[in-house]
Amino acid sequence: GENVEQHPSTLSVQEGDSAVIKCTYSDSASNYFPWYKQELGKGPQLIIDIRSNVGEKKDQRIAVTLNKTAKHFSLHITETQPEDSAVYFCAASKTGGYQKVTFGIGTKLQVIP
Amino acid sequence: GEEVAQTPKHLVRGEGQKAKLYCAPIKGHSYVFWYQQVLKNEFKFLISFQNENVFDETGMPKERFSAKCLPNSPCSLEIQATKLEDSAVYFCASSQWHGGRDTEAFFGQGTRLTVV
Repeated sequence: GENVEQHPSTLSVQEGDSAVIKCTYSDSASNYFPWYKQELGKGPQLIIDIRSNVGEKKDQRIAVTLNKTAKHFSLHITETQPEDSAVYFCAASKTGGYQKVTFGIGTKLQVIP
Repeated sequence: GEEVAQTPKHLVRGEGQKAKLYCAPIKGHSYVFWYQQVLKNEFKFLISFQNENVFDETGMPKERFSAKCLPNSPCSLEIQATKLEDSAVYFCASSQWHGGRDTEAFFGQGTRLTVV
């Protein structure tokens, strides 16, 4: 089955700096890669996703890159704000949103004002 | 509704008791998923449904766990004879696949099950 590794497990940045979270996956059949933000006591919320036919996707301060050859994908948050503090999960899935996703272990991001 | 509704928010059961969790998917969504999140954030996929049919049950423990999605009723996840290690937050998610296009999976707020 799919295995998703994520690092770092914790990340502290100063407000305004950038944050980068990296993931690798094992199953070459995976082609949908969502990123979720989970705040305390809440469910995961999709913040951005990328499919395997695209190498990069950007949405305001958030960008995701995908290298299918190396089976790497990364989340970049620029100009971080205190409200970005949360746990971020990468995930991988075959095909799309109707398939189960395999999650990474999460990265706890702390943005220091 | 426009959000995945899970009930109850919290559930406490004595070891050996039954626990039943409910999930109302977003209206119009035909796929429902159950995930278990244990203490160290790890998510484990349990089961998914396409309408009332089991779609993927590869993560479902064969004993003690069962799930249903019946027409016009919330989906349910039932744990018979709970054990301490069943303590976790159980998340339900729903998504839609129609005409070759699919939506993201939307997650509910979770049910925290504590087995004492």
